[in-house]
Amino acid sequence: EAEVAQSPRYKITEKSQAVAFWCDPISGHATLYWYRQILGQGPELLVQFQDESVVDDSQLPKDRFSAERLKGVDSTLKIQPAELGDSAMYLCASSFVAGFSTDTQYFGPGTRLTVL
Amino acid sequence: GDSVTQMEGPVTLSEEAFLTINCTYTATGYPSLFWYVQYPGEGLQLLLKATKADDKGSNKGFEATYRKETTSFHLEKGSVQVSDSAVYFCALRGVSSNTGKLIFGQGTTLQVKP
Repeated sequence: EAEVAQSPRYKITEKSQAVAFWCDPISGHATLYWYRQILGQGPELLVQFQDESVVDDSQLPKDRFSAERLKGVDSTLKIQPAELGDSAMYLCASSFVAGFSTDTQYFGPGTRLTVL
Repeated sequence: GDSVTQMEGPVTLSEEAFLTINCTYTATGYPSLFWYVQYPGEGLQLLLKATKADDKGSNKGFEATYRKETTSFHLEKGSVQVSDSAVYFCALRGVSSNTGKLIFGQGTTLQVKP
């Protein structure tokens, strides 16, 4: 069964450093999502791509976060500089096409970020 | 805006007990509703979904019915197992969202004891 791949699984960094997370969606999925999950809470959307275009980044802290999906396949989420409050699980999800009622988002295992 | 509220946990049950996890939502129109499960250290897995009123989603013995009149989507299972111990998230995708964004509740931790 096809899966969403993410790396690294765990990342420990010091504040003010730069970090980057990678996601490879299920083959053929045009839509890719990055969510942030703070411990004890539900995930919240950071950014959504349709192919290589951003369709929703309203909750992305653009002063320090950036995301790209250059060829419309895999994606990278970057934080520069990292702050203590960025400690969380970063989840990537993909779906075939966004917006249809039957559309299902499939999640990767996540990257657990700890900022010291 | 759209929102999801789940019962607070943890919920602790003995094996073979009946499970109910309450979920209510606020949204305009008829959103799609989902239950996801997260095992320790893992990402989220879709458990079941319902896309219109009165639909019943079911999977692995879990069920939930989309109740428009009470804006609810409660998760039930007749006989839980230790392996069901996990965090359960209720989520919705609003009809006003053309981006597919999921809005999640805060999660409910289920602990099943042998």
